[in-house]
Amino acid sequence: EIVLTQSPGTLSLSPGERATLSCRASQTVSSKYIAWYQQKSGQAPRLLIYGASSRATGIPDRFSGSGSGTDFTLTISRLEPEDFAVYYCQQYGSSRGTFGQGTKVEIK
Amino acid sequence: QVQLQESGPGLVKPSQTLSLTCSVTGGSTSNGGYHWSWIRQYPGKGLEWMGSIDHRRSTYYNPSLKSRVTISVHTSENQFSLKLSSVTAADTAVYYCARGIVHYDSSGNDVGGYFDDWGQGTLVTVSS
Repeated sequence: EIVLTQSPGTLSLSPGERATLSCRASQTVSSKYIAWYQQKSGQAPRLLIYGASSRATGIPDRFSGSGSGTDFTLTISRLEPEDFAVYYCQQYGSSRGTFGQGTKVEIK
Repeated sequence: QVQLQESGPGLVKPSQTLSLTCSVTGGSTSNGGYHWSWIRQYPGKGLEWMGSIDHRRSTYYNPSLKSRVTISVHTSENQFSLKLSSVTAADTAVYYCARGIVHYDSSGNDVGGYFDDWGQGTLVTVSS
């Protein structure tokens, strides 16, 4: 089973700053089968990125994904107040649907 | 965009079977290309994929839960369901139903996918 490790656990930033979130896999993730989700308190996760770098429908272009192999990154170019939330990566293609433990982006 | 809504008891006694239903609107469980899935989230913690079913009723389960989980699809009602047997307090969680987008490898094998639409989630507490 592929294990996903996200870092940092918590990211303290101010609105307008750039956020860089990491997701490292214990084995190579084939075909860039990585997705990213945003979850706000009391809500279901929302798909942001799939295929490592493709934005889901309606997702602002300040969100971008990159990476390959075992190292993947979600970047939020300029944090808006509504972006403070928990972010999860997920791999598919092996073991079907394992998630990382999440990174919380909080207001500094 | 499809809408999904979970329903079922919010309280289950230990050793009993947890049963939840997901109603789908704006899309059909009869259509190919999707996994109708259950994902749970322990209080304050991360997400765990439990299992999925496709329109041909092929099922895929998390190996850690496989002996206790059953997922079924009810195409006439456009619903799918989850049964988790022999529950304990460790099964207390928010349960989400979700639609997964199927991916295939170079050999044409279904290898799972990402989840593009989710229900709002329902908290199930296991307690006597």
